[in-house]
Amino acid sequence: KNEVEQSPQNLTAQEGEFITINCSYSVGISALHWLQQHPGGGIVSLFMLSSGKKKHGRLIATINIQEKHSSLHITASHPRDSAVYICAVRSNTGTASKLTFGTGTRLQVTL
Amino acid sequence: DGGITQSPKYLFRKEGQNVTLSCEQNLNHDAMYWYRQDPGQGLRLIYYSQIVNDFQKGDIAEGYSVSREKKESFPLTVTSAQKNPTAFYLCASSIDRDLETQYFGPGTRLLVL
Repeated sequence: KNEVEQSPQNLTAQEGEFITINCSYSVGISALHWLQQHPGGGIVSLFMLSSGKKKHGRLIATINIQEKHSSLHITASHPRDSAVYICAVRSNTGTASKLTFGTGTRLQVTL
Repeated sequence: DGGITQSPKYLFRKEGQNVTLSCEQNLNHDAMYWYRQDPGQGLRLIYYSQIVNDFQKGDIAEGYSVSREKKESFPLTVTSAQKNPTAFYLCASSIDRDLETQYFGPGTRLLVL
């Protein structure tokens, strides 16, 4: 079992729909990141959070530390939101920090 | 504009050949990282560097080598010992090793001829 699991793996939505992508993890973490990877391959960091909720434009990220679960929401989705969304968790192993990545959720938003 | 650049965008490797992937950043970041991305798998850490002239192995360092002679540059060499080098390679940097927000380069796709 992977330390970081994302669901769904693939998601197709119509423009305007509310979208939720989920991330569950099995290790103790100090922070969780949400990343966006565009078709060309470049990755952009969307959020880093360790508790509660963060909002940026139409994107909202929440985390529940007790349940080891995070969600990424997109309101009023648009075709330009089409990308792969990646969850990554930061855990401390001894004296080092480590990022473990999920396999990503591929989102396609159609007109 | 500040950012991370990687070159080339596509790279072809022949059997037994070493190839070097370039990564340059002008963000004045101390920490730099190399990741490998394969279909259906999450990014995996190859090497990272916290400071000039220092670097550490990540989870999949075998068959790779790096150098960090300058703060701005962290080149990755894929050696002939790496038997399955075909992948998408991403370089990233952050202010420090405490893994604050990482900034990623556009990636290099390596293909074996």
